[in-house]
Order: sequence, then C-alpha cells, then structure tokens
Amino acid sequence: GQQLNQSPQSMFIQEGEDVSMNCTSSSIFNTWLWYKQDPGEGPVLLIALYKAGELTSNGRLTAQFGITRKDSFLNISASIPSDVGIYFCAGAMDSNYQLIWGAGTKLIIKP
Amino acid sequence: DAGITQSPRHKVTETGTPVTLRCHQTENHRYMYWYRQDPGHGLRLIHYSYGVKDTDKGEVSDGYSVSRSKTEDFLLTLESATSSQTSVYFCATGQSYEQYFGPGTRLTVT
Repeated sequence: GQQLNQSPQSMFIQEGEDVSMNCTSSSIFNTWLWYKQDPGEGPVLLIALYKAGELTSNGRLTAQFGITRKDSFLNISASIPSDVGIYFCAGAMDSNYQLIWGAGTKLIIKP
Repeated sequence: DAGITQSPRHKVTETGTPVTLRCHQTENHRYMYWYRQDPGHGLRLIHYSYGVKDTDKGEVSDGYSVSRSKTEDFLLTLESATSSQTSVYFCATGQSYEQYFGPGTRLTVT
C-alpha cells in the first residue's frame, strides 16, 4: 500500500539539541498529523494540520503543513530525554478518514 | 478512565485456533480502526468501521474479520490464526481525521 516517505529513519540526539524531521509524498494531502509512540504503548497524537502553509505548535514541538500540500515537517526544540521514541507522520487525502502512514523516525539519546 | 481500551493486552495462541480481540471506547466516536504494527512495516490498516454494522477492508484484511454491533465496541477476529499474524494490534477511534489509539494487544501465534 501507499506509504509516506519519512526521514530520517533514526537520529541520535543530545539533550538540548533541536531536532527536525519531515514527511513527503508524491500525492497531495488535505490533512497532516504527527504522532509519537513510546515503547509498549499506542501512538499519541501530537499535532494536526489542516491548511497548506499552516504552522502549529504544541509546547516545544512545531509542525508545518507544506505549501505544496505534499510534505510536512516536525521540529522539536531543546530536546529532553523524554523526547525519545518513534515519531510518525500520517496524511489523509479524502473524506473517508483513512490515514496513510510514514514508517517512523526513531529518536535515540546519545550516550 | 481511559477512553479506549483493548482486551486482552497479551495473548499466546496456537496455529489454527480462532482468536477475538476487543476494542471498547467511551468517546462516542463514529469511526473505529484496527491496525497491526510489525517491525519494518509501520502501521497497517486491517479493517475499519464508519458506523454500527458498517465496516470495510483495509490494506491487510486477508485472514481477518470484524464486527461492530454497538458504537462502543469493535471486534477483530482471526478465524484460524497463523504464525504470520503474530503482531501488535492497535485499535483507534476518531470522529474525523484525528485518530486516537488504544494501548495495543500483543498476539503471539505459536
């Protein structure tokens, strides 16, 4: 099935660093969502974007809906240890409320 | 109380046996979804429901069936479990594009 291209696949972070990740598609989306999953738990919705060019923040997290409607970006500022986990992007094209998912970006703390 | 619960949380079963997983929500959301999550594949949609008794297939529906007789409950059945169905299963609910996930069921088929 169709999947979004999410990058990077994984990244090592040091506490205090800013983090950026993105999601791209060859198709146009009308909704972008960002989720975080901790080990042994279900994904948790972080940010929802509904309009091209929209920039939305949730604490230290900021996400943007690309103006081409084919991409989205998530930034985490001043990372802390509890930011580790897997971040998923998801997009929706139409009104049947099914989501297309990225494969995830795994954030790991540098030892 | 958690708005979305799944039961059981862990199950080990033998190949060929039927298995039913339950998702229960107290959110009164119209849409409910079953996903499986496997390493290297991310989240894949098995079946979804857009109302009581209204269900449809997702990307990986072979070997699975679902039923929704009440708004709050969505059941996933493996008629005859196979080892390839060993996975973590997540239920999600939503009223529009935003989906909210349960804690997951870890199923092992031996």
